[in-house]
Amino acid sequence: GENVEQHPSTLSVQEGDSAVIKCTYSDSASNYFPWYKQELGKRPQLIIDIRSNVGEKKDQRIAVTLNKTAKHFSLHITETQPEDSAVYFCAASMDQFYFGTGTSLTVIP
Amino acid sequence: GAGVSQTPSNKVTEKGKYVELRCDPISGHTALYWYRQSLGQGPEFLIYFQGTGAADDSGLPNDRFFAVRPEGSVSTLKIQRTERGDSAMYLCASSPRQGGTGELFFGEGSRLTVL
Repeated sequence: GENVEQHPSTLSVQEGDSAVIKCTYSDSASNYFPWYKQELGKRPQLIIDIRSNVGEKKDQRIAVTLNKTAKHFSLHITETQPEDSAVYFCAASMDQFYFGTGTSLTVIP
Repeated sequence: GAGVSQTPSNKVTEKGKYVELRCDPISGHTALYWYRQSLGQGPEFLIYFQGTGAADDSGLPNDRFFAVRPEGSVSTLKIQRTERGDSAMYLCASSPRQGGTGELFFGEGSRLTVL
């Protein structure tokens, strides 16, 4: 099956700085790459996604890039705010979704 | 309700017992997924239903785990002869799109503790 690796496992940034989280996947057949945010004690929720026919997608302060050749994709959060603090998971999908191990982001006020 | 509902929210059981975890997906969602999440880890794929049938059960760790979705809506994850290593949060998610191309809507999860 698919193998998704995610780095870093923890990330601390000052409020207003940018945060970048990177993921790699193994199966070139994967064609959909969502990112989920999970706040403490809550369910994961989709924040942004990208499909394999697109290289970059942006939604306000959040952007995702995809390099199909290298099989990696990244989440970029600009102008971070304390409410961005959470665990972020990347995923790669063909039929089922395979998740990375998560990145715990802390935004320091 | 409008969201994915999972029951029970918490289940404590003894080693060797049988457990059932229920998932009620969003109405109309044909795709349903079960995941297991341990502390500090990402959701681990268990099984994926498309309608009533299991489209992929390759993530089930062994034959003690089984899941059904007889009418294409509610699903039950069944764990026989529970072991302490089964302790985790069990997440269910549904999606309106087939083939792993749509948003997953997660339930709140069922936290299983095996003593």
